[in-house]
Amino acid sequence: GESVGLHLPTLSVQEGDNSIINCAYSNSASDYFIWYKQESGKGPQFIIDIRSNMDKRQGQRVTVLLNKTVKHLSLQIAATQPGDSAVYFCAEVPPPGTYKYIFGTGTRLKVLA
Amino acid sequence: NAGVTQTPKFRILKIGQSMTLQCAQDMNHNYMYWYRQDPGMGLKLIYYSVGAGITDKGEVPNGYNVSRSTTEDFPLRLELAAPSQTSVYFCASSWASGLKHTDTQYFGPGTRLTVL
Repeated sequence: GESVGLHLPTLSVQEGDNSIINCAYSNSASDYFIWYKQESGKGPQFIIDIRSNMDKRQGQRVTVLLNKTVKHLSLQIAATQPGDSAVYFCAEVPPPGTYKYIFGTGTRLKVLA
Repeated sequence: NAGVTQTPKFRILKIGQSMTLQCAQDMNHNYMYWYRQDPGMGLKLIYYSVGAGITDKGEVPNGYNVSRSTTEDFPLRLELAAPSQTSVYFCASSWASGLKHTDTQYFGPGTRLTVL
């Protein structure tokens, strides 16, 4: 079936360095994609999204890249801070008229002091 | 706006007990969802609702029931708790307008449930 997966379960990064978290998806008809951040004991928090007609979108310290050719999504975090430590997962949003998001299992980002 | 709120935050149940997990949103979203998240696993959809009075099953509905009498509230009912229902439960809401895109889902803080 359709799935969204992540390549790395855990990513350790030095404070101040850039982080890159990857996600593969399989449904080429998906409308758009979302990155969520989930801190320990909390609910998923929206970070940034990107529409299927875009290949790059920037936010504050975060950039999402979408490569539809290889069905790949990445989240780049600039100047990683201790507060960025969390689990990050991508969500694949279905085409209009359907409801079911497809969530990845997540990548744990550890920021080393 | 408070966003999506859930109560209680934590609960311990004995096998066979029943309880209702409460969820409310104040964003006037039409879609609401219930997920469970087991350790190291992704979110699994239990039930969802596209509007007041309309609910439907997700991937893992067995052992649960829902109702949607108002736009704001979407309670999840566990009738006969089992150890397999030990999990963290998240409620979410979003706005969708028919054939237009389904908007971002916003999540509540979760309810951590243990069944012993």
